[in-house]
Amino acid sequence: DIVMTQSPDSLAVSLGETATINCKSSQSILYSSNNENYLAWYQQKPGQPPQLLIYWASTRESGVPDRFSGSGSGTDFTLTISGLQAEDVAVYYCQQYYTTPYNFGQGTKLEIK
Amino acid sequence: QITLKESGPTLVKPTQTLTLTCTLSGFSLSTSGVGVGWIRQPPGKALEWLALIYWDNDKRYSPSLQSRLTITKDTSKNQVVLTMTNMDPVDTATYYCAHTFRSGGSVNYMDVWGKGTTVAVTS
Repeated sequence: DIVMTQSPDSLAVSLGETATINCKSSQSILYSSNNENYLAWYQQKPGQPPQLLIYWASTRESGVPDRFSGSGSGTDFTLTISGLQAEDVAVYYCQQYYTTPYNFGQGTKLEIK
Repeated sequence: QITLKESGPTLVKPTQTLTLTCTLSGFSLSTSGVGVGWIRQPPGKALEWLALIYWDNDKRYSPSLQSRLTITKDTSKNQVVLTMTNMDPVDTATYYCAHTFRSGGSVNYMDVWGKGTTVAVTS
């Protein structure tokens, strides 16, 4: 199984500042035949289901604000939230869909400082 | 508009079998490429991927739970059913179903999720 490890487990960032969340996979999730990284990011607010933010490691889902961006390749990935807003308070998960089981990271809780 | 709705018992006893239904709207599991997955989340914990079924009846399971899980589809009712045997209190969780798809032979992310259904396992 591919293990997904996020860091940090939690972070507090001031409004308007930048939040950075890291995700590391235990093996490469870059598929050589199409040069795509099989990595998605989800946002989960309290009492709500997860919502897709980013797929293919860096493609923003339709309707997601452009302050959310994804980067990285191979085994190391980053979710960056620029100009943090109060509504961004949530738990963020990365997930690999390269091979089953499509494991998630343990989650990163983002709060306002 | 794609929506999914989970349904099932809120309470099950240890050793019983859990049956959950995901009712699909806005899309059909008879459409080429379409898939539906199940994911669960124990209270205060992380998401756990469970199983997946595609339009062509290709099925995938979490190896750690494979012996207890069965995923099926009823195209006529536009539903996906997940059964989990031998339930234990550690299986207490919110269970989600989600839409996914396969394109050009490549699997994809889960783009639309249901609101989830909460199941407690207790005697």
